[in-house]
Amino acid sequence: GQQLNQSPQSMFIQEGEDVSMNCTSSSIFNTWLWYKQDPGEGPVLLIALYKAGELTSNGRLTAQFGITRKDSFLNISASIPSDVGIYFCAGQKSSQGNLIFGKGTKLSVKP
Amino acid sequence: SQTIHQWPATLVQPVGSPLSLECTVEGTSNPNLYWYRQAAGRGLQLLFYSVGIGQISSEVPQNLSASRPQDRQFILSSKKLLLSDSGFYLCAWSAAGGPADTQYFGPGTRLTVL
Repeated sequence: GQQLNQSPQSMFIQEGEDVSMNCTSSSIFNTWLWYKQDPGEGPVLLIALYKAGELTSNGRLTAQFGITRKDSFLNISASIPSDVGIYFCAGQKSSQGNLIFGKGTKLSVKP
Repeated sequence: SQTIHQWPATLVQPVGSPLSLECTVEGTSNPNLYWYRQAAGRGLQLLFYSVGIGQISSEVPQNLSASRPQDRQFILSSKKLLLSDSGFYLCAWSAAGGPADTQYFGPGTRLTVL
Protein backbone atom coordinates (compact mmCIF):
# COMPACT_ATOMS: atom_id res chain seq x y z
CA GLY A 1 0.00 0.00 0.00
CA GLN A 2 0.87 3.66 -0.19
CA GLN A 3 3.55 4.68 2.31
CA LEU A 4 5.15 7.81 3.59
CA ASN A 5 8.82 7.66 4.44
CA GLN A 6 9.39 9.60 7.64
CA SER A 7 12.86 10.33 8.95
CA PRO A 8 14.67 10.18 11.16
CA GLN A 9 13.10 7.29 13.03
CA SER A 10 14.34 8.69 16.35
CA MET A 11 16.31 11.65 17.64
CA PHE A 12 18.18 12.31 20.87
CA ILE A 13 18.93 15.99 21.34
CA GLN A 14 19.98 18.45 24.02
CA GLU A 15 17.50 20.97 25.35
CA GLY A 16 17.74 24.18 23.38
CA GLU A 17 18.74 22.55 20.11
CA ASP A 18 16.72 22.85 16.93
CA VAL A 19 15.06 19.77 15.41
CA SER A 20 14.25 18.88 11.82
CA MET A 21 12.28 15.94 10.50
CA ASN A 22 10.69 15.18 7.18
CA CYS A 23 8.32 12.98 5.23
CA THR A 24 8.68 11.98 1.61
CA SER A 25 6.64 10.04 -0.88
CA SER A 26 6.82 8.97 -4.49
CA SER A 27 3.26 10.27 -4.93
CA ILE A 28 1.78 13.74 -4.90
CA PHE A 29 -0.27 14.83 -1.89
CA ASN A 30 -2.81 17.63 -1.63
CA THR A 31 -2.65 17.96 2.14
CA TRP A 32 0.07 17.43 4.72
CA LEU A 33 -0.55 17.24 8.44
CA TRP A 34 1.78 16.97 11.40
CA TYR A 35 0.71 15.37 14.69
CA LYS A 36 2.40 14.87 18.05
CA GLN A 37 1.64 11.93 20.30
CA ASP A 38 2.52 11.90 23.99
CA PRO A 39 2.98 8.47 25.62
CA GLY A 40 -0.34 6.72 26.20
CA GLU A 41 -2.40 9.42 24.51
CA GLY A 42 -3.94 10.05 21.13
CA PRO A 43 -2.11 12.15 18.51
CA VAL A 44 -2.75 15.88 18.60
CA LEU A 45 -2.79 17.95 15.43
CA LEU A 46 0.06 20.48 15.31
CA ILE A 47 0.00 21.98 11.83
CA ALA A 48 -2.04 21.49 8.65
CA LEU A 49 -0.71 22.43 5.20
CA TYR A 50 -2.91 22.76 2.12
CA LYS A 51 -0.82 24.39 -0.61
CA ALA A 52 2.51 23.57 -2.23
CA GLY A 53 5.24 25.82 -0.87
CA GLU A 54 3.15 26.81 2.15
CA LEU A 55 5.12 27.59 5.29
CA THR A 56 3.12 27.61 8.53
CA SER A 57 4.19 28.20 12.11
CA ASN A 58 2.68 27.22 15.43
CA GLY A 59 4.78 28.70 18.20
CA ARG A 60 8.24 27.15 17.99
CA LEU A 61 7.08 24.73 15.32
CA THR A 62 7.32 25.44 11.61
CA ALA A 63 6.18 23.11 8.84
CA GLN A 64 6.48 23.39 5.09
CA PHE A 65 4.58 21.80 2.21
CA GLY A 66 7.22 20.86 -0.35
CA ILE A 67 7.04 22.49 -3.75
CA THR A 68 6.99 19.12 -5.50
CA ARG A 69 4.02 18.15 -3.27
CA LYS A 70 5.85 14.92 -2.48
CA ASP A 71 7.37 15.97 0.82
CA SER A 72 6.92 17.99 3.98
CA PHE A 73 9.21 19.20 6.74
CA LEU A 74 8.74 19.98 10.41
CA ASN A 75 11.18 22.09 12.39
CA ILE A 76 11.17 22.69 16.12
CA SER A 77 13.28 25.55 17.40
CA ALA A 78 14.88 25.78 20.85
CA SER A 79 13.58 22.40 22.02
CA ILE A 80 12.34 21.94 25.58
CA PRO A 81 11.72 18.76 27.60
CA SER A 82 7.97 18.79 26.90
CA ASP A 83 8.68 18.41 23.17
CA VAL A 84 9.36 14.74 23.91
CA GLY A 85 7.02 12.43 22.05
CA ILE A 86 6.39 10.84 18.68
CA TYR A 87 5.77 13.12 15.73
CA PHE A 88 3.73 11.79 12.82
CA CYS A 89 3.30 13.20 9.36
CA ALA A 90 0.14 12.39 7.45
CA GLY A 91 -0.81 13.06 3.87
CA GLN A 92 -3.98 13.05 1.83
CA LYS A 93 -3.82 12.42 -1.88
CA SER A 94 -7.25 13.73 -2.81
CA SER A 95 -10.22 15.42 -1.22
CA GLN A 96 -11.94 12.05 -0.83
CA GLY A 97 -8.96 10.04 0.25
CA ASN A 98 -8.13 8.82 3.70
CA LEU A 99 -5.02 9.97 5.51
CA ILE A 100 -1.79 8.05 5.07
CA PHE A 101 0.51 8.21 8.09
CA GLY A 102 4.28 8.04 8.37
CA LYS A 103 5.78 5.69 10.94
CA GLY A 104 6.74 8.50 13.25
CA THR A 105 9.82 10.23 14.61
CA LYS A 106 10.49 9.61 18.28
CA LEU A 107 12.02 12.68 19.89
CA SER A 108 13.94 12.56 23.15
CA VAL A 109 15.21 15.78 24.77
CA LYS A 110 17.91 15.81 27.42
CA PRO A 111 17.59 18.64 29.95
CA SER B 1 -16.47 22.68 21.01
CA GLN B 2 -16.05 19.13 19.84
CA THR B 3 -14.79 16.36 22.07
CA ILE B 4 -14.13 12.71 21.47
CA HIS B 5 -14.28 9.99 24.11
CA GLN B 6 -13.09 6.41 24.15
CA TRP B 7 -14.02 3.71 26.61
CA PRO B 8 -12.44 1.86 28.29
CA ALA B 9 -9.01 3.44 28.66
CA THR B 10 -7.31 0.10 29.27
CA LEU B 11 -8.44 -3.48 28.87
CA VAL B 12 -6.87 -6.87 29.53
CA GLN B 13 -8.65 -9.77 27.89
CA PRO B 14 -7.93 -13.50 27.45
CA VAL B 15 -7.46 -15.00 24.02
CA GLY B 16 -10.77 -16.09 22.54
CA SER B 17 -12.87 -13.62 24.51
CA PRO B 18 -15.11 -11.01 22.84
CA LEU B 19 -14.29 -7.33 22.54
CA SER B 20 -16.27 -4.13 22.45
CA LEU B 21 -14.61 -0.71 22.37
CA GLU B 22 -16.70 2.41 22.25
CA CYS B 23 -16.06 5.82 20.77
CA THR B 24 -18.38 8.79 21.06
CA VAL B 25 -18.12 12.31 19.67
CA GLU B 26 -19.78 15.42 21.04
CA GLY B 27 -20.34 18.84 19.55
CA THR B 28 -20.65 17.91 15.89
CA SER B 29 -23.16 16.22 13.61
CA ASN B 30 -22.65 13.49 11.03
CA PRO B 31 -18.89 13.26 11.51
CA ASN B 32 -16.66 10.90 9.60
CA LEU B 33 -15.38 8.35 12.13
CA TYR B 34 -12.26 6.21 12.08
CA TRP B 35 -10.70 3.31 14.00
CA TYR B 36 -6.92 2.95 13.97
CA ARG B 37 -4.60 0.46 15.63
CA GLN B 38 -1.14 1.40 16.78
CA ALA B 39 1.29 -1.39 17.62
CA ALA B 40 4.32 -0.89 19.87
CA GLY B 41 3.79 2.88 20.07
CA ARG B 42 4.60 3.44 16.40
CA GLY B 43 2.68 3.68 13.14
CA LEU B 44 -1.06 4.12 12.73
CA GLN B 45 -2.98 1.47 10.81
CA LEU B 46 -6.44 2.44 9.60
CA LEU B 47 -8.90 -0.35 10.38
CA PHE B 48 -12.35 1.06 9.61
CA TYR B 49 -13.99 4.31 8.66
CA SER B 50 -17.58 5.46 8.50
CA VAL B 51 -19.24 8.37 6.74
CA GLY B 52 -22.67 7.77 8.25
CA ILE B 53 -24.91 5.56 10.38
CA GLY B 54 -24.62 1.96 9.29
CA GLN B 55 -21.94 2.77 6.70
CA ILE B 56 -18.67 0.99 7.44
CA SER B 57 -15.64 0.58 5.21
CA SER B 58 -12.96 -1.91 6.14
CA GLU B 59 -9.38 -1.21 5.25
CA VAL B 60 -7.74 -4.36 6.55
CA PRO B 61 -9.30 -7.85 6.63
CA GLN B 62 -9.14 -9.28 10.12
CA ASN B 63 -11.22 -10.71 12.95
CA LEU B 64 -12.38 -7.25 14.02
CA SER B 65 -15.59 -5.53 12.99
CA ALA B 66 -17.05 -2.05 13.42
CA SER B 67 -20.53 -0.68 13.77
CA ARG B 68 -22.09 2.75 13.90
CA PRO B 69 -25.46 2.41 15.60
CA GLN B 70 -25.84 6.15 16.17
CA ASP B 71 -24.56 9.25 14.42
CA ARG B 72 -21.83 9.96 16.94
CA GLN B 73 -21.09 6.46 18.21
CA PHE B 74 -18.55 4.12 16.70
CA ILE B 75 -17.93 0.65 18.10
CA LEU B 76 -15.07 -1.77 17.46
CA SER B 77 -15.82 -5.42 18.16
CA SER B 78 -14.46 -8.90 17.96
CA LYS B 79 -16.09 -12.26 18.63
CA LYS B 80 -12.81 -13.97 19.54
CA LEU B 81 -9.66 -12.04 20.34
CA LEU B 82 -6.24 -13.14 19.14
CA LEU B 83 -2.89 -12.39 20.75
CA SER B 84 -2.07 -10.25 17.73
CA ASP B 85 -5.02 -7.98 18.52
CA SER B 86 -3.05 -6.38 21.36
CA GLY B 87 -2.29 -2.74 20.76
CA PHE B 88 -3.40 0.84 21.22
CA TYR B 89 -6.72 1.54 19.54
CA LEU B 90 -7.49 5.07 18.49
CA CYS B 91 -10.75 6.56 17.36
CA ALA B 92 -10.77 9.74 15.30
CA TRP B 93 -13.31 12.06 13.69
CA SER B 94 -13.28 14.59 10.89
CA ALA B 95 -15.84 17.12 9.68
CA ALA B 96 -18.74 15.83 7.64
CA GLY B 97 -18.81 16.41 3.92
CA GLY B 98 -15.29 17.69 3.73
CA PRO B 99 -11.96 16.12 3.02
CA ALA B 100 -10.65 13.40 5.27
CA ASP B 101 -7.89 15.64 6.52
CA THR B 102 -7.75 17.28 9.92
CA GLN B 103 -8.70 14.23 11.86
CA TYR B 104 -8.97 14.64 15.62
CA PHE B 105 -8.06 11.70 17.80
CA GLY B 106 -9.50 10.34 21.03
CA PRO B 107 -7.38 9.38 24.04
CA GLY B 108 -7.10 5.74 22.94
CA THR B 109 -7.73 2.33 24.48
CA ARG B 110 -4.81 0.13 25.46
CA LEU B 111 -5.78 -3.52 24.78
CA THR B 112 -3.68 -6.40 26.05
CA VAL B 113 -4.66 -9.89 25.00
CA LEU B 114 -3.14 -12.64 27.16
